[in-house]
Amino acid sequence: NAGVTQTPKFQVLKTGQSMTLQCAQDMNHNSMYWYRQDPGMGLRLIYYSASEGTTDKGEVPNGYNVSRLNKREFSLRLESAAPSQTSVYFCASDWTGEETQYFGPGTRLLVL
Amino acid sequence: QQQVKQSPQSLIVQKGGISIINCAYENTAFDYFPWYQQFPGKGPALLIAIRPDVSEKKEGRFTISFNKSAKQFSLHIMDSQPGDSATYFCAASGGSQGNLIFGKGTKLSVKP
Repeated sequence: NAGVTQTPKFQVLKTGQSMTLQCAQDMNHNSMYWYRQDPGMGLRLIYYSASEGTTDKGEVPNGYNVSRLNKREFSLRLESAAPSQTSVYFCASDWTGEETQYFGPGTRLLVL
Repeated sequence: QQQVKQSPQSLIVQKGGISIINCAYENTAFDYFPWYQQFPGKGPALLIAIRPDVSEKKEGRFTISFNKSAKQFSLHIMDSQPGDSATYFCAASGGSQGNLIFGKGTKLSVKP
């Protein structure tokens, strides 16, 4: 099992550009999450999906959109990137009710 | 709002010493308290977790101590090793807050 995979590993964008971060899990989990990690700020939840076909906002959703493409895949889209979105983005997944979240390796995003 | 407060931000310990990281929470409905370990360039991974029906949980050199009345829990790493050098996050969930709320993290450095 690969667990949770994320692409790309690293990306540089110019302000105003758009991009989609991809996440996939092969553990048959029903819940998936997107977090951002900034120095001194911990992990902040951007969006989550409790099941295929549903998505909900987390703590910091502004400037982002998500799509739960199927049970395996959950993508995060930046429509018009801003320097404030420079961060490390983590995708995670779990079984609802089991509470242990499994994280991917992260995507480092730099917005110039 | 900062529902889980973690301290210290950084910690330097000598090899063989005891590392102690503290967290405090506000929401009395929280009923699940995990600790995640993150090595540089990697995603966080579950280290150990506790529920409020016990005051202590031990797994190898890692122990969680839980004080329900004080709304505090802590991670103790006995016989700290250089390989324990990582960032540690406490978290909490429960009640109407189904998602994990993370502390801001503690960067631990164990000196040989």
